[in-house]
Amino acid sequence: QSALTQPASVSGSPGQSITISCTGTSSDVGGYNYVSWYQQHPGKAPKLMIYEVSNRPSGVSNRFSGSKSGNTASLTISGLQAEDEADYYCSSYTSSSTRVFGTGTKVTVL
Amino acid sequence: QVQLVESGGGLVKPGGSLRLSCAASGFTFSDYYMSWIRQAPGKGLEWVSYITISGSTIYYADSVKGRFTISRDNAKNSLYLQMNSLRAEDTAVYYCARGYYDFDIWGQGTMVTVSS
Repeated sequence: QSALTQPASVSGSPGQSITISCTGTSSDVGGYNYVSWYQQHPGKAPKLMIYEVSNRPSGVSNRFSGSKSGNTASLTISGLQAEDEADYYCSSYTSSSTRVFGTGTKVTVL
Repeated sequence: QVQLVESGGGLVKPGGSLRLSCAASGFTFSDYYMSWIRQAPGKGLEWVSYITISGSTIYYADSVKGRFTISRDNAKNSLYLQMNSLRAEDTAVYYCARGYYDFDIWGQGTMVTVSS
């Protein structure tokens, strides 16, 4: 199972919006509404930010939103803040009943 | 509070074995599927394995199939990962995580280093 494809880095200024893409295949992202997104700060464990494509867990800021079109899922961060600087990973259920993560995206707040 | 705490990591020689444990607290462990996920130094996340509530269904990543065994003891609120025939490429922080389609609670991780 190959990793889902994410851009290596995305940057934006405070207050701006950025979008991170996550591209898979019809056997994972495109085939199921089980895409999730994780935020990871250096030296810390990942934190669930979005589940089932577009749902936010309790306590996650509504500045984070998710969507999907075909084989590509997206995470949008609006009103970018310094604390959003971190690595972000997508994940999907697969047709083999396994899970696959994305390659990861480093978000930099300029 | 809801918490997962891994233990059992360390330095092991290639071909050796190690058993990781994950202690759950603050929630009803026996109500949840559980998973192991790892992260090699400076690299991305890699899903390793998951186990259903009863332990009747288990899946592994191809990279560990036949070498790693996931198990759980609901009476002890614990998840385990038996790792055999370890290779240098298994060097990583190993996280246990709660969940099936997504992972809402993560432990702090335990480091496994495979080196001679």
